[in-house]
Amino acid sequence: EVQLVESGGGLVQPGGSLRLSCAASGFTVSSKYMSWVRQAPGKGLEWVSLIYSGGHTYYADSVKDRFTISRDYSKNTLFLQMNSLRAEDTAVYYCARDDGYFDHWGQGTLVTVSS
Amino acid sequence: QLVLTQSPSASASLGASVKLTCTLSSGHSGYAIAWHQQQPEKGPRYLMKFNSDGSHSKGDGIPDRFSGSSSGAERYLTISSLQSEDEADYYCQTWDTGIRVFGGGTKLTVL
Repeated sequence: EVQLVESGGGLVQPGGSLRLSCAASGFTVSSKYMSWVRQAPGKGLEWVSLIYSGGHTYYADSVKDRFTISRDYSKNTLFLQMNSLRAEDTAVYYCARDDGYFDHWGQGTLVTVSS
Repeated sequence: QLVLTQSPSASASLGASVKLTCTLSSGHSGYAIAWHQQQPEKGPRYLMKFNSDGSHSKGDGIPDRFSGSSSGAERYLTISSLQSEDEADYYCQTWDTGIRVFGGGTKLTVL
């Protein structure tokens, strides 16, 4: 059974950093595409970042040059390093297995950027 | 630019059917899409992938009440025999190399 479990969210000040993790089971993270998707309070879903099985990475313009997606083969875990955080980055962050479309989702982790 | 457009809201009565629409931007009418459901206070759930040729695949455990169809640049999600738990936000989603795109979502109210 495929499972995705996010962690690492919390309260951070503007300009701060946070690292999210997504522990996967039931498949190998490095053999699949993986994405991060976020949802600001009361808003719709927004794609954030994507890593291909070959390692190429892509980002939404809103997070480019601030966020970095990566993975650890030995831990079967996906990461999102978030730097220079802004108030508008406040959202629930979901990891998702990506086949172009998202066929499995995690339960999400809340990131709040506030002073 | 790859864009998906959805109506913000829809409503239908318990036991009835409803058809939600997702429109692909000009020049992208051949793209496949996926539908995702998000019940109140829950994370998203994958419902189905729908290709422009009519072929589709569903997520695990998705009942036959959920079906997809298309016409030109429009993609539809039909939910029949509406149940109270179908009250949710429904998002269409598509993709291209290095980009993933969501529609704005449709909030479905079951009356």
